[in-house]
Order: sequence, then C-alpha cells, then structure tokens
Amino acid sequence: AQSVTQLGSHVSVSEGALVLLRCNYSSSVPPYLFWYVQYPNQGLQLLLKYTTGATLVKGINGFEAEFKKSETSFHLTKPSAHMSDAAEYFCAVSATSGNTGKLIFGQGTTLQVKP
Amino acid sequence: NAGVTQTPKFQVLKTGQSMTLQCAQDMNHEYMSWYRQDPGMGLRLIHYSVGAGITDQGEVPNGYNVSRSTTEDFPLRLLSAAPSQTSVYFCASRATGENTEAFFGQGTRLTVV
Repeated sequence: AQSVTQLGSHVSVSEGALVLLRCNYSSSVPPYLFWYVQYPNQGLQLLLKYTTGATLVKGINGFEAEFKKSETSFHLTKPSAHMSDAAEYFCAVSATSGNTGKLIFGQGTTLQVKP
Repeated sequence: NAGVTQTPKFQVLKTGQSMTLQCAQDMNHEYMSWYRQDPGMGLRLIHYSVGAGITDQGEVPNGYNVSRSTTEDFPLRLLSAAPSQTSVYFCASRATGENTEAFFGQGTRLTVV
C-alpha cells in the first residue's frame, strides 16, 4: 500500500532562512507526488508536482522539490523564507492501484516564520 | 471559472440533526472526493467518485452518505450528526489520470454540539 510520511508536524524558521520540509513516500511503482499549501481558513492549492522527467521540480512562490528514488523522498525547499510562507504544507502521492482518483496525504507540516 | 464551490462555509448542528454539504465543480472532472481535516491527522478520505453514478467509500465513511447524479455535483450527507463529526470538510475534483492535480474547495467548518 502507498503511504506518505511528513517528518515534523511543526517547523519554525527565521525570515530569510532556508525552508526544508521533509516528505518520504512508500510506493511499489513509480510515484506521482504533489506538494500542497493551505493558508489559514482556506482550501489547499498546488505548489508543485512530480510526474516523470526532471527530478528537480520548481513550483510557485519560489518553492522547489527534488524527487530522490533511492531515498524515497520528495523534500520541499525554499532558499529564503518570507513571512507570507507561514501556512500548512501537505505532501501527497497519487494512488496507482485501480482507477480511483485518490490522493494519499501526509499528516501535514505547519511552517512558522519568525521575523 | 469558479473551480470547486462548497456551501455552506460554516455550519453549527445539534447532535442528531442531518444536513447536506454541497460541492460543485465546473471543470468537467470525473474524479471527486470528500475529505475531513482534523488537527494532527492530515486529510482523511471519506468518500470518492470516479464518475456520475459511481461512488465508493474512503477510509472514514461511517456516518456519511454520498451520491453522484451528475458530473458536476457531489453532495455529502450527514445522516445523524455526532460531536465526532466536528471537523473541516473539503471537496476536491481531479481530471482522469494519476498525474493530474486535485482542485479543492474552500472548505466547510462544521461544529456539532
């Protein structure tokens, strides 16, 4: 069965510091991976996705993620945090067994950005 | 282009009451899903649909019903509300294909007292 684990439910960084949010997945087939962001009192919106091809994926708002098959990881990074990046972030993998349209989510990481 | 629209945004129910959370999408997506979000538990799948007339249970279906009579609409029914159903509910839609992204509504914050 596929699963996603996000290491660290809360991450705190200073403004201008590197942001690193960790995501590991479990999948017996090549995965399709996604990062979503949720700002307070809003729905989820897509930051970026990995399907095939280049393993370094660039997304919106300066975020990027690297797919590492050997480490079964898809960590999200941003070189310099802004106050506006404070939000909850979810990693997800697309279920590949059967035609279900399901996404399997990690438990989320809340990013706090300190001035 | 409205995307995924959920109504209502907020709702307070008394234990035992029933209600329907509405979800509509205008992107002609075949896949639609309902999730609930609780602190520390991420998003948990309640029910999903792969097309009109086809629905199936997710990981936490008890106490909820769904139907999919049209491609556009996917309502979620709470039959007899319980305090354990206090949560934030999200509807999502996706085009067919495992590499497609899901689009989410703005959520419904439900409190059962």
